[in-house]
Amino acid sequence: NAGVMQNPRHLVRRRGQEARLRCSPMKGHSHVYWYRQLPEEGLKFMVYLQKENIIDESGMPKERFSAEFPKEGPSILRIQQVVRGDSAAYFCASSPLGLGGNEQFFGPGTRLTVL
Amino acid sequence: AQRVTQPEKLLSVFKGAPVELKCNYSYSGSPELFWYVQYSRQRLQLLLRHISRESIKGFTADLNKGETSFHLKKPFAQEEDSAMYYCALKPILTGGGNKLTFGTGTQLKVEL
Repeated sequence: NAGVMQNPRHLVRRRGQEARLRCSPMKGHSHVYWYRQLPEEGLKFMVYLQKENIIDESGMPKERFSAEFPKEGPSILRIQQVVRGDSAAYFCASSPLGLGGNEQFFGPGTRLTVL
Repeated sequence: AQRVTQPEKLLSVFKGAPVELKCNYSYSGSPELFWYVQYSRQRLQLLLRHISRESIKGFTADLNKGETSFHLKKPFAQEEDSAMYYCALKPILTGGGNKLTFGTGTQLKVEL
């Protein structure tokens, strides 16, 4: 089991462009979580998805950010019209079930730099 | 709302010395507490969780509800313990809610 995969590992965008971050959960995991880590801060929860469903998006900015986890393929975190403040490390985690007591396994992260 | 505080950004100890990484939390309900570790150039991984009450790599952590703390301890630090340590909290809620709230992390440096 290769673990949680994220790509790209590094992404550079100019202000106003779109950023697409991909996350492939561990085999057998149907729950995905996205976290953002700004410089000098801890990881902050953004969104929790199950296949084809958004379960909790309470940490997601209301504008420009969206996430999906389709029936087939990876989960995508999409940031439209990026701004410098979006520069951060974005981590994805997956778990086999969404109920309490299940460990979240983290990917290596995608480091987004907005010029 | 829940909050996790790790007051030390950097903790430097000598090899063989005791280690204590501090973590305090605030949450009105029943929390589940975790310690995650990130070694250099590796991904974040779970070190231990309070409900397991186990020792991993010589580390232990006890949940103190009175002091709302979950400090990570090890009696004798090893060079390979050098890493970034994050304390995290998850509410124990019936029916779901699996998001983790992280502290800002403490960089542990073990010197020879």
